[in-house]
Amino acid sequence: KAGVTQTPRYLIKTRGQQVTLSCSPISGHRSVSWYQQTPGQGLQFLFEYFSETQRNKGNFPGRFSGRQFSNSRSEMNVSTLELGDSALYLCASINNPGTGDGYTFGSGTRLTVV
Amino acid sequence: SQQGEEDPQALSIQEGENATMNCSYKTSINNLQWYRQNSGRGLVHLILIRSNEREKHSGRLRVTLDTSKKSSSLLITASRAADTASYFCATDARTGFQKLVFGTGTRLLVSP
Repeated sequence: KAGVTQTPRYLIKTRGQQVTLSCSPISGHRSVSWYQQTPGQGLQFLFEYFSETQRNKGNFPGRFSGRQFSNSRSEMNVSTLELGDSALYLCASINNPGTGDGYTFGSGTRLTVV
Repeated sequence: SQQGEEDPQALSIQEGENATMNCSYKTSINNLQWYRQNSGRGLVHLILIRSNEREKHSGRLRVTLDTSKKSSSLLITASRAADTASYFCATDARTGFQKLVFGTGTRLLVSP
């Protein structure tokens, strides 16, 4: 079966712009979560969606937002980009969190803000 | 920070040797998971150990968990050059919040 698909793979944006990243989970997986990875802060949880509802949000400013569609696909949006937003953004899906399964991650979107 | 700690930060070994990585975490957990990451790409799930388990094996991987010390270790036996990657532990907490808290990672280099 197809894995978690993230688009685009690479993105270069200018400070002040906004960006939208997309994630298609494994078919049948209802939970999608997003993580930011930077050399300085490591892997940090952004938010998690389950059946179109945001259930958890990490400690990020309101410029970071997301949503999930009825087909479980998810998007995250970052507005008013800052240089510090440059990172690898990873999406992960799982059928039902808490059941003891591992998460399946996508290959990530590498965002560079200049 | 909630982030767990891993040591060593970097490990360099020869093919055929064993590699051991350690992880410490801060909160009560449902389970602890180990992931591998190649060259800044996506994470690959390796193994999951539940809080009521002490040891688990999967192929060349052996994971231990000591909840009293809030620590875990990952042993890769008979390492291969293809094992070269970064390895992260991640905890799934008891709080009901569906998120993983990752450790700082160990960079493993296996030389032929």
